[in-house]
Amino acid sequence: GNSVTQMEGPVTLSEEAFLTINCTYTATGYPSLFWYVQYPGEGLQLLLKATKADDKGSNKGFEATYRKETTSFHLEKGSVQVSDSAVYFCALLFMNTGFQKLVFGTGTRLLVSP
Amino acid sequence: DGGITQSPKYLFRKEGQNVTLSCEQNLNHDAMYWYRQDPGQGLRLIYYSQIVNDFQKGDIAEGYSVSREKKESFPLTVTSAQKNPTAFYLCASSIQGRQPQHFGDGTRLSIL
Repeated sequence: GNSVTQMEGPVTLSEEAFLTINCTYTATGYPSLFWYVQYPGEGLQLLLKATKADDKGSNKGFEATYRKETTSFHLEKGSVQVSDSAVYFCALLFMNTGFQKLVFGTGTRLLVSP
Repeated sequence: DGGITQSPKYLFRKEGQNVTLSCEQNLNHDAMYWYRQDPGQGLRLIYYSQIVNDFQKGDIAEGYSVSREKKESFPLTVTSAQKNPTAFYLCASSIQGRQPQHFGDGTRLSIL
């Protein structure tokens, strides 16, 4: 089946530290991969995406590379800010009998202190 | 600005009562979705609709119902048959095909 596994949180960092949030997936076929971010009390916002192997998605200083050989899509940022504190969801999208289905990981909470 | 509007932001339900959550989009998207989010868990798909007047059950449809009479609107009713309705409900929409879904800000439902 199709599934996503994320590292457990919370991840606690000081401002300007390097961030890695691990995400691995199991999928049949060729899924697209996404990172979504959720700020407290809000919905999910698309952070970045990659649609095929070796694609790199990037946005707001965050990056993730679609690695087919390791079935991974780890999220990285070189220097985090307090405003990056949120819950991050890795997700894969595949086509299921003509409609797109998103499968989410359980989310990783990031806490950044000044 | 185009987007998805969910209302109300907070909703309280008495035991045995049905409640309806609103979801409206002005993105001209064909497909719409309802998800449930519980603490510490990912999102689970309740219902989805690819086109007006058509919708399909997702992974956890029991105790819920939907309608899709207009392209812009996809309301979710939480019925009294849903025994554990307390959760955060998120509506999303997308263009057909391998395109990302766009989410509303959610409705938090609680039982009185």
